[in-house]
Amino acid sequence: DTEVTQTPKHLVMGMTNKKSLKCEQHMGHRAMYWYKQKAKKPPELMFVYSYEKLSINESVPSRFSPECPNSSLLNLHLHALQPEDSALYLCASSERSGDNTEAFFGQGTRLTVV
Amino acid sequence: DQQVKQNSPSLSVQEGRISILNCDYTNSMFDYFLWYKKYPAEGPTFLISISSIKDKNEDGRFTVFLNKSAKHLSLHIVPSQPGDSAVYFCAAPPVGGADGLTFGKGTHLIIQP
Repeated sequence: DTEVTQTPKHLVMGMTNKKSLKCEQHMGHRAMYWYKQKAKKPPELMFVYSYEKLSINESVPSRFSPECPNSSLLNLHLHALQPEDSALYLCASSERSGDNTEAFFGQGTRLTVV
Repeated sequence: DQQVKQNSPSLSVQEGRISILNCDYTNSMFDYFLWYKKYPAEGPTFLISISSIKDKNEDGRFTVFLNKSAKHLSLHIVPSQPGDSAVYFCAAPPVGGADGLTFGKGTHLIIQP
């Protein structure tokens, strides 16, 4: 199983809503990531979890709150988002943090904030 | 400052011919590079990688060449097939044991029948 599964695939939310994005992998990977991708732009790193601990937070606004309940799951909690937060949110995992191994990406959640 | 650069936003190649996608980088400390392929509405899929100790890595129709002195790498696809039409990203992990990937802006490859 070389899959990273993200749910939901599409999400439309109002600026006052609270929602969560979910990511799951069963490859035994110990590093998991959230990236944000706007149209016609490359993916941009948001958060890195290594061994279930947050190791990198790339100055992301607090309206995005990551959570790693266990080594297979990664959540991104969303609250009071702005329309400019609309983007494709990608989850990825790799074997170990800080190692030269490829990252496997999920299909992404297409988020629209209205 | 963009450390990984893909200066061609798009490239059109005839089916069966060679596609060459280019990537330049500015940080000479990068020691590992990856190419990802991305279809619309899907996540990036890993294609091929190369370590800085090599100057070439081949996997089937895909070959990546690395020129360290020029800080340049290229992805060759031969022969090009219609299913190769996608956006291709060059990426590099940060140096110093940090994590995550720095991506170039991507090149949209279009294979013409």
